[in-house]
Amino acid sequence: QVQLVQSGVEMKKPGASVKISCEASGYTFSTYYIHWLRQARGQGLEWVGVINPIGGKTTSAERLQDRVSMTRDTSTSTAYLELNNLRSEDTATYYCARDYSGTAGGIPGFFYMDVWGKGTPVIVSS
Amino acid sequence: DIQMTQSPSSLSASVGDRVTITCRASQSIKNYLNWYQQKPGQAPKILIYAASSLQGGVPSRFSGSGSGTDFTLTISTLQPEDFATYYCQQSYRTPLYSFGQGTRVEI
Repeated sequence: QVQLVQSGVEMKKPGASVKISCEASGYTFSTYYIHWLRQARGQGLEWVGVINPIGGKTTSAERLQDRVSMTRDTSTSTAYLELNNLRSEDTATYYCARDYSGTAGGIPGFFYMDVWGKGTPVIVSS
Repeated sequence: DIQMTQSPSSLSASVGDRVTITCRASQSIKNYLNWYQQKPGQAPKILIYAASSLQGGVPSRFSGSGSGTDFTLTISTLQPEDFATYYCQQSYRTPLYSFGQGTRVEI
């Protein structure tokens, strides 16, 4: 079945970097963009960025773009999120999600995230 | 950036109640609006896309409406498994997504 499997819990000190993986299976990896989102404990969802598996073009949230890097390995159908210079406020669960295009009223092009990974907790603490 | 604002931030309801959650966009997003449900410890799950299209496998008691800047998610008859947090998300400016702050539905 279609699934996204994320790497495990990460514990990091402030100033360090973290790299999270998201392995896709059950579909053609290159067909769909992969989004990254995060959620601090008890808080809402924050969009982090997106990668196009074809070519690897990325777009990230403006407030994170100087610290975030997204890559992919098409040979292993895996997307990666790297966040540098970690701060305590980066403590959150990080999700990857597939970007799907649905049709409504016969009109295509309605994008939504249809498959999600289970999340990777990242804890930043000294 | 497109700002999404949900109301209320939380609500208390009983099994069998009709529940309505609203979402407002800071500019017109036509009908590029999605709704997700998230239960504690789980990833979000898509319920409705394109403002009113029910995702496959989602019970018909869930419905969505609206266009432009104002949208509504309605649960017609609340079930025990519906106690969760609900998020709206715009896909008008794809792939730069943004979410509402969430509405927690509790007993």
